[in-house]
Amino acid sequence: EVQLVESGGGLIQPGGSLRLSCEASDISVSHNCMSWVRQAPGKGLEWVSVICGGNVIYYEDSVKGRFTISRDNSKNTIYLQMNSLRAEDTAVYYCARDRPTRQGAANAFDIWGQGTMVSVSS
Amino acid sequence: AIQLTQSPSSLSASLGDRVIVTCRASQGISSALAWYYQKPGKAPELLIYDASTLESGVPSRFSGSGSGTDFTLTISSLQPEDFATYYCQQIDSYPPTFGGGTKVEIK
Repeated sequence: EVQLVESGGGLIQPGGSLRLSCEASDISVSHNCMSWVRQAPGKGLEWVSVICGGNVIYYEDSVKGRFTISRDNSKNTIYLQMNSLRAEDTAVYYCARDRPTRQGAANAFDIWGQGTMVSVSS
Repeated sequence: AIQLTQSPSSLSASLGDRVIVTCRASQGISSALAWYYQKPGKAPELLIYDASTLESGVPSRFSGSGSGTDFTLTISSLQPEDFATYYCQQIDSYPPTFGGGTKVEIK
């Protein structure tokens, strides 16, 4: 069964660090672009970062320099290292597989994990 | 970044109603638009990409249209499982951005 399972969320103080993991089953993280998308409580969706083959990586502006996306092909897992966390980073973080389309340079997301909650508060 | 404005932000409708949600982009994006639906506490699900292509397994009562800056998502006959929040997303360029969402509620 195709599945993405996130882990690593929790309560963290402002300025702290967390590492999120996303383990994939029945899809290869090395052969797909994989993204992190977040959703603050009661709010809409916000794309955070993507990692593609050849280590092509992009970040949303507000997380550049603080978050790092990476991949371990042997574990079929992607990660999001989050440093210097702020209250506004509080959200459910979803891992998603990018779905290449005929239009556009970015991708839609066709497979999603269940999400992991990150709460940044003192 | 390209901004997407959805309207309405919420609507009430009855079973069997035809529902239309609109999404306007701050600049032209050709047909590079996707639609999702999301139930409370669940991950979003992809409905449509490239403005009008139905994702595999999505019921045919869902359809998408538009190009350039103006797009619509239409549900031809609202079913009980369709009460949810709908989001558009531009896939024209990075960063991919989402609209603010349209919550479809039971009248």
